[in-house]
Amino acid sequence: GAVVSQHPSWVICKSGTSVKIECRSLDFQATTMFWYRQFPKQSLMLMATSNEGSKATYEQGVEKDKFLINHASLTLSTLTVTSAHPEDSSFYICSARDRVPQWGYTFGSGTRLTVV
Amino acid sequence: AQSVSQHNHHVILSEAASLELGCNYSYGGTVNLFWYVQYPGQHLQLLLKYFSGDPLVKGIKGFEAEFIKSKFSFNLRKPSVQWSDTAEYFCAVSANQAGTALIFGKGTTLSVSS
Repeated sequence: GAVVSQHPSWVICKSGTSVKIECRSLDFQATTMFWYRQFPKQSLMLMATSNEGSKATYEQGVEKDKFLINHASLTLSTLTVTSAHPEDSSFYICSARDRVPQWGYTFGSGTRLTVV
Repeated sequence: AQSVSQHNHHVILSEAASLELGCNYSYGGTVNLFWYVQYPGQHLQLLLKYFSGDPLVKGIKGFEAEFIKSKFSFNLRKPSVQWSDTAEYFCAVSANQAGTALIFGKGTTLSVSS
């Protein structure tokens, strides 16, 4: 299957600052990538769908001005958490559908964000 | 849009007991179905998936799932659980269309006592 590389794996930031998370597809071109958030002991919640060269599609209840998504190339999508607050502390995971659809989805290793 | 419902929030079993975790989805079109497992402190791991063909799917670690289209269900089963199966289990569904996201159920916590 495909490989998706996500960085950083963990980050601690001060309240009010911004944090950028990168997600790269290493061996295929992902025209669409997905961003999820997982709170402790909860499921993965889809935040947004990132489309190369166009605006992201956000799920209901997700603030697009707070969670900026950029998909400038076929191999890179970024999620920027702007003006982070402690309640934004969570595990963020990116995903892309494999180049062969029947292979399913591949996930980044996730980013643990802690806002202090 | 598709949605997933997992009925069992927390299941507690003894070793060697049989397991069945329920999963129902809501979507009018063709779907792809998945079960993932997440061990404590670890990332998601794919157990099995269904795209088409034989509705009885066998996965890793002795797990299997059956797709029943008429019931919109994709229940996960294992004939004999082990202590090491203690984990969180997520059912997920995607529409069979390019560019569609995977939607997860809320998960079921499985606790197996030795």
